[in-house]
Amino acid sequence: KAGVTQTPRYLIKTRGQQVTLSCSPISGHRSVSWYQQTPGQGLQFLFEYFSETQRNKGNFPGRFSGRQFSNSRSEMNVSTLELGDSALYLCASSSRDTTDTQYFGPGTRLTVL
Amino acid sequence: SQKIEQNSEALNIQEGKTATLTCNYTNYSPAYLQWYRQDPGRGPVFLLLIRENEKEKRKERLKVTFDTTLKQSLFHITASQPADSATYLCALDMGSNYQLIWGAGTKLIIKP
Repeated sequence: KAGVTQTPRYLIKTRGQQVTLSCSPISGHRSVSWYQQTPGQGLQFLFEYFSETQRNKGNFPGRFSGRQFSNSRSEMNVSTLELGDSALYLCASSSRDTTDTQYFGPGTRLTVL
Repeated sequence: SQKIEQNSEALNIQEGKTATLTCNYTNYSPAYLQWYRQDPGRGPVFLLLIRENEKEKRKERLKVTFDTTLKQSLFHITASQPADSATYLCALDMGSNYQLIWGAGTKLIIKP
């Protein structure tokens, strides 16, 4: 089985721009979670989707949004980028929910200049 | 709100010894607790899951314990090897809101 893929792997943007990140889960997995990881901060939960429905959302501003498509692929969007948005963005897929093993992608490294 | 504490300082262990990492949480006991390994520039990889009614779980050289009285989980690697060097993360699942709460991770360094 192919693993979780994320595109692009690296991204450089300037303040004020917007960005869209993509995540393709493992085939058959319907739950996709997104995380922001910065040094020393651990994984900060952004949101979780299951069958195109957002089931939970973390404490991030409305500039962070996401969606899931019928094939379980997911995208997250960050508008009006700020310097503090520089981070590794990880997505994880599982078959049902967080009680199942989370399979992570390699992440997208976003740098905001 | 639930908080997780993992030793923020790197843990240096001599090869062949047992490495023990700690995950402490506040407030309510989670339904599940998971441990992951993360290498630089990569996503975390699942290692073990332990449920609230389980005291101990083993997988090869790995062992996880869960003490709901102490609000603590310990993660042991026996006969440690330099290849075990990585950051280890614990994650709590409260069982009801489709969200894992993550510790910041402990960096483990196994010296030859």
